[in-house]
Amino acid sequence: AQRVTQPEKLLSVFKGAPVELKCNYSYSGSPELFWYVQYSRQRLQLLLRHISRESIKGFTADLNKGETSFHLKKPFAQEEDSAMYYCALRGMGRRALTFGSGTRLQVQP
Amino acid sequence: DAGITQSPRHKVTETGTPVTLRCHQTENHRYMYWYRQDPGHGLRLIHYSYGVKDTDKGEVSDGYSVSRSKTEDFLLTLESATSSQTSVYFCAISEDRVTTNEKLFFGSGTQLSVL
Repeated sequence: AQRVTQPEKLLSVFKGAPVELKCNYSYSGSPELFWYVQYSRQRLQLLLRHISRESIKGFTADLNKGETSFHLKKPFAQEEDSAMYYCALRGMGRRALTFGSGTRLQVQP
Repeated sequence: DAGITQSPRHKVTETGTPVTLRCHQTENHRYMYWYRQDPGHGLRLIHYSYGVKDTDKGEVSDGYSVSRSKTEDFLLTLESATSSQTSVYFCAISEDRVTTNEKLFFGSGTQLSVL
């Protein structure tokens, strides 16, 4: 079975502070990991994926297989980063994604 | 935004009535999915389709059925709605690509309330 855990329902930080959204997964094989984001009144959309090793809007995420984690980080939060963030996993040979329960990021001025 | 339209956008119905939600895409993507979004649970997969008339169950499929008679349409039916099916329902699509980099494109959601 595959599972994604996001332990924080709400993360509140001040503008300019560092942000780390936690994501842990349970999967016996080699997973593909993703972060999706839902801004207010917008559709859920892909933020980044581990296989691309990219930085989007200043966010990065590193897959740590030893700790089975894929935490999302940004050194300096902006108010426009306020949104709902979902970590997601795709198992080998699977098409559908398994999502975590989501973390709401609130960046205060 | 990818060409995904969900209808209706909002629906209020009574317990025991049948309800059908529609997802229509103009991207000619092979894969289509239905998820439900609930506080504390995030997004959970109900059913998905990997082609016309090819569907499979997700983790919360009980009480739901789907049909895909055309590439562009994926219907989700609640045969006899219950209050526990009050939720926001999202349709998503993805391409059939050899690489592992394909991503999901989501619709804007259907808010369903079962009274």
